[in-house]
Amino acid sequence: DTGVSQDPRHKITKRGQNVTFRCDPISEHNRLYWYRQTLGQGPEFLTYFQNEAQLEKSRLLSDRFSAERPKGSFSTLEIQRTEQGDSAMYLCASSRGRGEAFFGQGTRLTVV
Amino acid sequence: GESVGLHLPTLSVQEGDNSIINCAYSNSASDYFIWYKQESGKGPQFIIDIRSNMDKRQGQRVTVLLNKTVKHLSLQIAATQPGDSAVYFCAENPRGGQAGTALIFGKGTTLSVSS
Repeated sequence: DTGVSQDPRHKITKRGQNVTFRCDPISEHNRLYWYRQTLGQGPEFLTYFQNEAQLEKSRLLSDRFSAERPKGSFSTLEIQRTEQGDSAMYLCASSRGRGEAFFGQGTRLTVV
Repeated sequence: GESVGLHLPTLSVQEGDNSIINCAYSNSASDYFIWYKQESGKGPQFIIDIRSNMDKRQGQRVTVLLNKTVKHLSLQIAATQPGDSAVYFCAENPRGGQAGTALIFGKGTTLSVSS
């Protein structure tokens, strides 16, 4: 499979715990994006990387959220001290420059 | 704030009909647009894109029309099939916008195709 891969597909965690998600983009894509999607809404932009540089962060990305792309390949999104409002689908996408962005299947987070 | 929106939250059509899904955008600096299809429990799937130097682009059974004068985007699906049932999002790519050059999505239109 040469598409965008996300792991895990589902995560259930207790409020206050930390969680980390991983995204493996399409190999030749230099841009990687993180989005959050809640039921009935379109994906909301969180942050994006060009190679290993994090170029933009949304105001949605509070201090509890951090994303990395250490070698310009895979990326991780960590949420510290999770809250029930963090429950959502977290989507990763990649693109070659400003071209079409391809999405992974997402990680569904449920905070109980 | 500037955002991409869709005119109708739901659209119901009969199999074989043509479907038209509309989208209005507000950022005149946007120069790239994409339509995505999202099935339940899956990530958005790329359908077709268009750049602002074009007003029409055709794919297989799909056509995207861009009217920059009124900031309107539409997706036409020919001979709609039950497998086309999904939520459709338009997304814009503003240059220098709040989100840099990341795509900004609207809320989506749910297309239901009955046979």
